[in-house]
Amino acid sequence: QVTLRESGPALVRPTQTLTLTCTFSGFSLSTRGMCVSWIRQPPGKALEWLARIDWDDDKYYSTSLKTRLTISKDTSKNQVVLTTTNMDPVDTARYYCARGRRYCRTDDCYWSFDHWGQGALVTVSS
Amino acid sequence: QLTQSPSSLSASVGDRVTITCRASQDISSYLAWYQQKPGKAPKLLIHDASTLQSGVSSRFSGSGSGTEFTLTISSLQPEDFATYYCLQVHTFPYTFGQGTQLDLK
Repeated sequence: QVTLRESGPALVRPTQTLTLTCTFSGFSLSTRGMCVSWIRQPPGKALEWLARIDWDDDKYYSTSLKTRLTISKDTSKNQVVLTTTNMDPVDTARYYCARGRRYCRTDDCYWSFDHWGQGALVTVSS
Repeated sequence: QLTQSPSSLSASVGDRVTITCRASQDISSYLAWYQQKPGKAPKLLIHDASTLQSGVSSRFSGSGSGTEFTLTISSLQPEDFATYYCLQVHTFPYTFGQGTQLDLK
């Protein structure tokens, strides 16, 4: 049974750095074809993809947030960490982590994000 | 970029509904559909444009490739009233559609 759980501060001040941890079970990030992504959702708004880290430590980031985001993993602890620098009130959102699994066909492969955590609400306010 | 339509939709139990997602470039079949209920995480319904996720009701179906995709719910049930999102996983950065809110007429 795959589960993911996000943890971190509920409130951060503007300009501070946010550190969120995704703790998961039921799969290993050392297994080929696995990844974890972070996605956020401001209150009442659409989902926004932020970052992805793969089993082989490849990393991918949102273009608009690339300079502020760092994603990392601790395979031994089954955790993925996302740090976001210079937080602003517009970064107020529920932050989700999701497990990605790679599916391969004859000519190509694609990713599917099939299990999500319940999300962590982060408010940025002074 | 993904453009979902309509942004909102009112329907009745038993109706057949279709939601469309258009991509600004060819994304092959690298598109997924999610359902989100208030206060809950998104739930994967369809991946690879038309592959039904394990455990999801067969009244959900997806079709399309290239730049135009559809999610169809064949006969709406009370539990289907929610917001639906498409997600492209063809090109970084991944992008979601803006969502379609489906509510009871």
